Amino acid sequence: DTGVSQDPRHKITKRGQNVTFRCDPISEHNRLYWYRQTLGQGPEFLTYFQNEAQLEKSRLLSDRFSAERPKGSFSTLEIQRTEQGDSAMYLCASSMRGTGQETQYFGPGTRLLVL
Amino acid sequence: SQQGEEDPQALSIQEGENATMNCSYKTSINNLQWYRQNSGRGLVHLILIRSNEREKHSGRLRVTLDTSKKSSSLLITASRAADTASYFCATHASGGSNYKLTFGKGTLLTVNP
Repeated sequence: DTGVSQDPRHKITKRGQNVTFRCDPISEHNRLYWYRQTLGQGPEFLTYFQNEAQLEKSRLLSDRFSAERPKGSFSTLEIQRTEQGDSAMYLCASSMRGTGQETQYFGPGTRLLVL
Repeated sequence: SQQGEEDPQALSIQEGENATMNCSYKTSINNLQWYRQNSGRGLVHLILIRSNEREKHSGRLRVTLDTSKKSSSLLITASRAADTASYFCATHASGGSNYKLTFGKGTLLTVNP
């Protein structure tokens, strides 16, 4: 079991640029989640996929953010026209749909710094 | 918005001592989970306790859950320097949004050798 992987691990960009992050979940997991974590805070939910369907988006996810999960495998999170307030750790997690008691397994995160 | 509140925000102890962290939450839950995060890294799942359970053990970890008080505690016994990390509680709400986790702000534990 290779675990959840994320790429890149770090990204520095200038304000106004677009960035894209990738998440590869554990292979048999059909649920995939994106969270954002700012310094000194716990992770906050952004969006959730079951297979390829995006089933919920948080109000934190402005229209500059878009997430996809083509074919229900890996997922991408794109931020357009980045702002300094987007600087954060972006965490991906996956789980297997079950009884609602399932554990979410997190990747190492992508740390974004917007200058 | 974050549901949980961990207490204390920071805890410093000597190696070999026990560490107790508390978590309070606001809504009805299916389960409560504890995660560990080493500085700047991803989260590692430690233990899950269901809403109908009151206590659970895993190695040096002991978790309690009091749904009437909407609170949980995590006890780490015989702490080690390697236990130094931030610890977060996270809840799975009961009802419609029971797929996402709602995290607290965490407790920063420092174990001094």
